[in-house]
Amino acid sequence: IAGITQAPTSQILAAGRRMTLRCTQDMRHNAMYWYRQDLGLGLRLIHYSNTAGTTGKGEVPDGYSVSRANTDDFPLTLASAVPSQTSVYFCASSPGLNYGYTFGSGTRLTVV
Amino acid sequence: EDQVTQSPEALRLQEGESSSLNCSYTVSGLRGLFWYRQDPGKGPEFLFTLYSAGEEKEKERLKATLTKKESFLHITAPKPEDSATYLCAVQALSNTGKLIFGQGTTLQVKP
Repeated sequence: IAGITQAPTSQILAAGRRMTLRCTQDMRHNAMYWYRQDLGLGLRLIHYSNTAGTTGKGEVPDGYSVSRANTDDFPLTLASAVPSQTSVYFCASSPGLNYGYTFGSGTRLTVV
Repeated sequence: EDQVTQSPEALRLQEGESSSLNCSYTVSGLRGLFWYRQDPGKGPEFLFTLYSAGEEKEKERLKATLTKKESFLHITAPKPEDSATYLCAVQALSNTGKLIFGQGTTLQVKP
């Protein structure tokens, strides 16, 4: 593979359930990001990591958590899903400042 | 507060009809401005980065320009395959690499 792999591609989840969205990159990029994309609201940053072992909160972090145990993986966990978390989730990575992102193909999540 | 506004929200063109998309931004010191293309059901694809006012970048039928307050994506003689949503984003000097995105312009080019 070359780039970012996200899994699953889509999921229907019952409210209250726990869910982890997976993201793996093979480009050895230092920085990784999680965005959600909603109609009319655009892409909004959930959490980010500038390097392995560090994470930070974005614009809409509530209800989500992340970890960055190594350079390649950046999973996003919904501890107890709610319908407002229905969205398309994109993982992205970047070599660092001044560089654009490479995005994954997204996970379409529906919470019912 | 850093902010990005794109206009128009949607644009319909005939094949060969040139036009421009606008990205207005407010940021506390610009590190870079980024343009992406997004096809339905896919992740955004990187097009250009602009760093300073007056800078221009070109790729095929697309040309991006930058001023101190806005950026334009000029599309010359578009083809149906240029149909997509075009996203603009800014990276502030104060941010640690985070991009702030506009809501995008959805372009439809009819043959």
